[in-house]
Parts: sequence; structure tokens; C-alpha cells
Amino acid sequence: DTEVTQTPKHLVMGMTNKKSLKCEQHMGHRAMYWYKQKAKKPPELMFVYSYEKLSINESVPSRFSPECPNSSLLNLHLHALQPEDSALYLCASSPGRDYEQYFGPGTRLTVT
Amino acid sequence: QKEVEQNSGPLSVPEGAIASLNCTYSDRGSQSFFWYRQYSGKSPELIMFIYSNGDKEDGRFTAQLNKASQYVSLLIRDSQPSDSATYLCAVMEYGNKLVFGAGTILRVKS
Repeated sequence: DTEVTQTPKHLVMGMTNKKSLKCEQHMGHRAMYWYKQKAKKPPELMFVYSYEKLSINESVPSRFSPECPNSSLLNLHLHALQPEDSALYLCASSPGRDYEQYFGPGTRLTVT
Repeated sequence: QKEVEQNSGPLSVPEGAIASLNCTYSDRGSQSFFWYRQYSGKSPELIMFIYSNGDKEDGRFTAQLNKASQYVSLLIRDSQPSDSATYLCAVMEYGNKLVFGAGTILRVKS
């Protein structure tokens, strides 16, 4: 089973709202990732957690705040977003460093 | 930032033909290579990964890696209309960072 789940599927939020995206995997994977994907572009890495510790932050604005409460869960807290932050937000997990990554279905975010 | 290059396509092949997708990468030290398929509006789906020089086969898919030429390819045999999608080549950089190419659009015509 290579399933990564993400909630919600769709999210519409205003620029003053606070919301959170959730990601879950039960494959025992030790690394989890957040990506952002704009239309007709490849995914862009935002954050990497390895063994529940943040190991990579790709200079993401502070209005995006990741959290890894345990080895199965990954959250992305959103605050004061801009319309240009509208995108598909993808979570992925992998067994460890340098291994294959499995993507969840994504959350389609629209900022109004 | 290391680069991964793919022809954006679209690559059009008739049903039943072999589709050949190509990818080059700039980081000679890269060790891990991946192919993802992405349907419009969906998330990327891992279809192949390869770590060693040579060929790796899985069903109708064959991944080929040539580290000396810094080249990785994906062959899809007996192409079906359901194979029509964007194919993303990805290369693992040092530090557990996956770098994606821009993707090749494949269209299989029945």
C-alpha cells in the first residue's frame, strides 16, 4: 500500500484567513515533503521533514508554516496568503533519504 | 540549482506503438532517477525509478539510465490512449531534494 492522504481536497480562503492542510501516511516512511505546483509547471519543493525534523526549507515565505506532529502526519499552516499562492499543494512521503517519493492527491487551494 | 531537461512535446504516437521519452540532467553526481506520470488535474504518480546504469523493466515500461551521458529515458511499449498524460523526469540531488524536469506531454492516438 503506497497511499498518502491529504485533506481537504479543495480549499478557498481569503487573504486574512488562517487555514491548515493535512497529510497522512501509514507506510512507516521516515521522510515527508510539501510541494507547490502551478498550472503546467512541475512541482516545486517547499519543505522536507526527515525523522520528524525539518531538514529543508526552500526559502518559503513565513505565511506558510509546516508542522510534523509525528512520523505519520504533516501539516501546512496557512496565514495571510496572497492570490498568487493559489496552486495545487502536494504532500509526498518516502522510506528515507534518496528513495522514491509517493505523492498524495493534493489540495487545490484558491486564495481570493 | 541543478537542471533536468525534457522536451515539452507534445509527443504523438499511434496506439500500439512504442513511446520514447527522454531526459538529461546536469549533476554528474546524481544517483537516483524517477519517472512520474501526471494526468491533467491529478497528482504525480510514480511509475519507475532506477539507480543503476542499464535498463529496468516493469510491465510495459522500461527505464534506461546512462550515467556517462547523463541521460535517462522511459520507453512505453504497446502505448494505449490511457497513457496520454504528462511524464515528469525527476533526479535526486544531494540533500534529499528531488528536481523535476518541465515534463513531456504524451498523446496516444487511437
